[in-house]
Amino acid sequence: AAGVIQSPRHLIKEKRETATLKCYPIPRHDTVYWYQQGPGQDPQFLISFYEKMQSDKGSIPDRFSAQQFSDYHSELNMSSLELGDSALYFCASSLAGTDEQYFGPGTRLTVT
Amino acid sequence: GIQVEQSPPDLILQEGANSTLRCNFSDSVNNLQWFHQNPWGQLINLFYIPSGTKQNGRLSATTVATERYSLLYISSSQTTDSGVYFCAGGAGTASKLTFGTGTRLQVTL
Repeated sequence: AAGVIQSPRHLIKEKRETATLKCYPIPRHDTVYWYQQGPGQDPQFLISFYEKMQSDKGSIPDRFSAQQFSDYHSELNMSSLELGDSALYFCASSLAGTDEQYFGPGTRLTVT
Repeated sequence: GIQVEQSPPDLILQEGANSTLRCNFSDSVNNLQWFHQNPWGQLINLFYIPSGTKQNGRLSATTVATERYSLLYISSSQTTDSGVYFCAGGAGTASKLTFGTGTRLQVTL
């Protein structure tokens, strides 16, 4: 069965650079969620989209922005990167009317 | 928001042993999921279980929604079961998940 696809899987950036993470949800899934997991921590919710509209927002820094496109894929844009942004970034998707979230393999971002 | 507590925080088992992991929620949830995070960082869906009992091979889970807790049972543990087990809950349709702090399991030979 098709799963959530995230790209890239690994990304190394320097401080103050910009990064873009991409997420392709499971086919027919219309809701996308982004989570950030710092080293040794549990995943924390950043933001979610339903039918291309932002549906909820967590502790997402103002330096980050995200959107969902007409084909339902989503992109997380991160600017002015800081060392503390080094983390695993997960995307999850779900189907409207259901609650179960399916997680992608994650993007490991390292900021040097 | 919802608070999620997991216990125990750490667990060391010998191969073949059984274990029970617990997850308590501060409020009612309509989405409850268990995950296994492997050493490579991948979050593997184990169960979607807002209520009732489910089994999948050596793993089973039970959620008592009225008492706001869930249990994950691992039987005949294997070294490949090592990793961190997270429970996560959400309230409302298509809502964000709040994760517990996890149980770090190490299975030794």
